Amino acid sequence: EAGVAQSPRYKIIEKRQSVAFWCNPISGHATLYWYQQILGQGPKLLIQFQNNGVVDDSQLPKDRFSAERLKGVDSTLKIQPAKLEDSAVYLCASSFTQGGYYNEQFFGPGTRLTVL
Amino acid sequence: AQTVTQSQPEMSVQEAETVTLSCTYDTSESDYYLFWYKQPPSRQMILVIRQEAYKQQNATENRFSVNFQKAAKSFSLKISDSQLGDAAMYFCAYRSPSHLTGTASKLTFGTGTRLQVTL
Repeated sequence: EAGVAQSPRYKIIEKRQSVAFWCNPISGHATLYWYQQILGQGPKLLIQFQNNGVVDDSQLPKDRFSAERLKGVDSTLKIQPAKLEDSAVYLCASSFTQGGYYNEQFFGPGTRLTVL
Repeated sequence: AQTVTQSQPEMSVQEAETVTLSCTYDTSESDYYLFWYKQPPSRQMILVIRQEAYKQQNATENRFSVNFQKAAKSFSLKISDSQLGDAAMYFCAYRSPSHLTGTASKLTFGTGTRLQVTL
């Protein structure tokens, strides 16, 4: 079974530029998550989708970050314009459904963003 | 809001020895889930072990076991017979059950403990 795919793996941009990340979840997984992992910290949830609907985006900086999952499968996360503090690893995860003790979240390899 | 604290930024263990990683958390909920995740260098984060707060028996997965102390809000991970492949960042995480959060199922992570395994 293929895991969660993310691209690109690495991205370096100048501040005020825009950037987009792509995630392809495990086939059949209805729930998709984007986490931000700043160096030295644990991952923090930015947004959770159930199919193509947003479940939780309370920690998403909506003035510069946007995310979509139009067909309920792939998802893109965009930052526009980027700030220095956006330098982090962006992790995508997916799960078969939401909630539940045995509902495991599977993580992708992440995209490491450096903003100069 | 729930918080998770890992007070050991780095730990080191010799191969074949046992090491314990600490985790404490703060919550007002009586039912919840706790997890330990492993993040090897440049590789995916994977689930190591999970524990439901209502289960008194400590979870065990092969060489990995937990010591869950609900009253103390402590959830430590013990790795027995450590192997070189155990070297990684280990994150403790908390999740509220869906009957409390509705549809949201986010994980709240600690800051991680970097485990080194030496020969």
